[in-house]
Amino acid sequence: SQQGEEDPQALSIQEGENATMNCSYKTSINNLQWYRQNSGRGLVHLILIRSNEREKHSGRLRVTLDTSKKSSSLLITASRAADTASYFCATGGGYNKLIFGAGTRLAVHP
Amino acid sequence: NAGVTQTPKFQVLKTGQSMTLQCAQDMNHNSMYWYRQDPGMGLRLIYYSASEGTTDKGEVPNGYNVSRLNKREFSLRLESAAPSQTSVYFCASSPGLAGGEETQYFGPGTRLLVL
Repeated sequence: SQQGEEDPQALSIQEGENATMNCSYKTSINNLQWYRQNSGRGLVHLILIRSNEREKHSGRLRVTLDTSKKSSSLLITASRAADTASYFCATGGGYNKLIFGAGTRLAVHP
Repeated sequence: NAGVTQTPKFQVLKTGQSMTLQCAQDMNHNSMYWYRQDPGMGLRLIYYSASEGTTDKGEVPNGYNVSRLNKREFSLRLESAAPSQTSVYFCASSPGLAGGEETQYFGPGTRLLVL
């Protein structure tokens, strides 16, 4: 079962534009994490936001969390071609387990 | 510091054959995980090991077995491969400290094709 579901499934933008991806989840969480997966590679952790936080920044990444709506968003500002990847949200599935959504495929065109 | 390593990178099996996927981490992590990823989908947990000496089933354990050989190594075995097990397999690890969900560190994956 997938706890988090990303939206949109795919996103195509031009370099320099901002990219926004959304994640909805079903049950209460301790934290929510975002990961990136480049084609043919393993997942890489981007950012973790705790349930008592509303917004978090890391470089060009901005993550928001709305626990009342059970949703999160990932904003990538000033996108680059190198940001082309799939992005996954993950929430807790019990002790030290994570449940991943199906991901958003982002394509950034030069 | 290699992080999480997996072998092999790619494997082709015939239906009914067996194989073991190897995973090792050098971060002194307590917890290790095996996932499968099918096209257009997220990762699904097959088995995990919260700490050395323990293993537990995840979401999709049927057809698989695991061994936590020591703190560093966690192997996944397919006893009798089926075409439905064609997938990309990822191993991951996390510190495994008491409490909530932690950042996981992933290996590069093993692409398995079962004919």
